[in-house]
Amino acid sequence: QSALTQPASVSGSPGQSITISCTGTSSDIGAYDYVSWYQQLPGSAPKVMIYDVTHRPSGVSNRFSGSKSGNTASLTISGLQADDEADYYCSSYTNTNTPYVFGSGTKVTVL
Amino acid sequence: QVRLQESGPGLVKPSETLSLTCAVSGGSIRTSNWWSWVRQPPGKGLEWIGEVYHTGTTSYNPSLRSRVSISVDKSKNQFSLRLNSATASDTAMYFCARGRPFNALTGYSYYFDPWGQGVLVAV
Repeated sequence: QSALTQPASVSGSPGQSITISCTGTSSDIGAYDYVSWYQQLPGSAPKVMIYDVTHRPSGVSNRFSGSKSGNTASLTISGLQADDEADYYCSSYTNTNTPYVFGSGTKVTVL
Repeated sequence: QVRLQESGPGLVKPSETLSLTCAVSGGSIRTSNWWSWVRQPPGKGLEWIGEVYHTGTTSYNPSLRSRVSISVDKSKNQFSLRLNSATASDTAMYFCARGRPFNALTGYSYYFDPWGQGVLVAV
């Protein structure tokens, strides 16, 4: 099972909105609404920001939103802030020989 | 709330067995959740290793299945990872996490929350 495809880096100015894409296949993103997104600050463990494509856990800012179209999921961060600078990973359930697959990761830089 | 804490040696010799434990606090391991191990080589992305249910049922990443074993100790409220025949490519930060959250109304979902802080293991 190959990793889901994410852009290596995305950048934006404070206050702007950015979108990170996550492309999979009809065996994972295209087949199930079990896409999740994780924020990993330097030196820290990943933290779930979005689950089940669009759901935000309690305590996560509503500036983070998720969506999906076909085999591609997206994470949008609106009103970009300096402390959003981190690595972001997507993940999906799959019907292949492993239940989980992660994305390659995207480094978000706030200019 | 549930908290996870990894423990184990930070240095393993090549060909030896990498062994880590994840202690679960703030809740019982005997729930409808599954308990996973995920690793991250330095500067690289996340890789799911495998998971265990409190009954001992397991599921593993096929790329590691021949070398990995995950077990649960309900009496200590913890679960463990063993990775045999370690090589330099197993050098990574190892995280434990709760997976497959279960909701009585909607059933299982597939994401990881919470995560332990991670432990760096060098081979």
